Amino acid sequence: EDKVVQSPLSLVVHEGDTVTLNCSYEVTNFRSLLWYKQEKKAPTFLFMLTSSGIEKKSGRLSSILDKKELFSILNITATQTGDSAIYLCAVGYLYNQGGKLIFGQGTELSVKP
Amino acid sequence: AAGVIQSPRHLIKEKRETATLKCYPIPRHDTVYWYQQGPGQDPQFLISFYEKMQSDKGSIPDRFSAQQFSDYHSELNMSSLELGDSALYFCASSSGYEQFFGPGTRLTVL
Repeated sequence: EDKVVQSPLSLVVHEGDTVTLNCSYEVTNFRSLLWYKQEKKAPTFLFMLTSSGIEKKSGRLSSILDKKELFSILNITATQTGDSAIYLCAVGYLYNQGGKLIFGQGTELSVKP
Repeated sequence: AAGVIQSPRHLIKEKRETATLKCYPIPRHDTVYWYQQGPGQDPQFLISFYEKMQSDKGSIPDRFSAQQFSDYHSELNMSSLELGDSALYFCASSSGYEQFFGPGTRLTVL
């Protein structure tokens, strides 16, 4: 059965810390891996990764995919209280397989002042 | 930039009633996905449409049905509601790889 597993499930850090969130997957018909940030509302799109080894970066956030080892990491540097949220990792199926996303359980990040 | 619009944002129904959720995708997006997120759960795929045709089906109960109309908006119809249907229902739209989520409809079944 296809699955996406995130770790840790929860994390408490202080402002200024750097965090690394992990996502591993076992999915047939893999097309892409996506990271979302969810703060009590709709998941907000962060990154989409389709190729191994190419880092995507947006401000203090960055992510990379390893398609050989079937995992991705999301790094957040110099964390701020506004980074507190649930970070969801999702794998997208091939478009000809419907293109749906299956999600991991999420990592709940809490950044303390 | 235009985003995905969902209505209503909140809905309260009684058991065995019917609910209709609406989704208006981002302009020029041809694919719509519906997800259900229970309390403390990750979103679960229900059903998707591409160019007004159903493209994939997930863990959607037989009591639920959906369609995509000629203007690409989609409706999720839920009948014989049960307490366990209480959840956040997200619609996402896509024109390719990324999926952008709407604000969700919070359905509470009493």
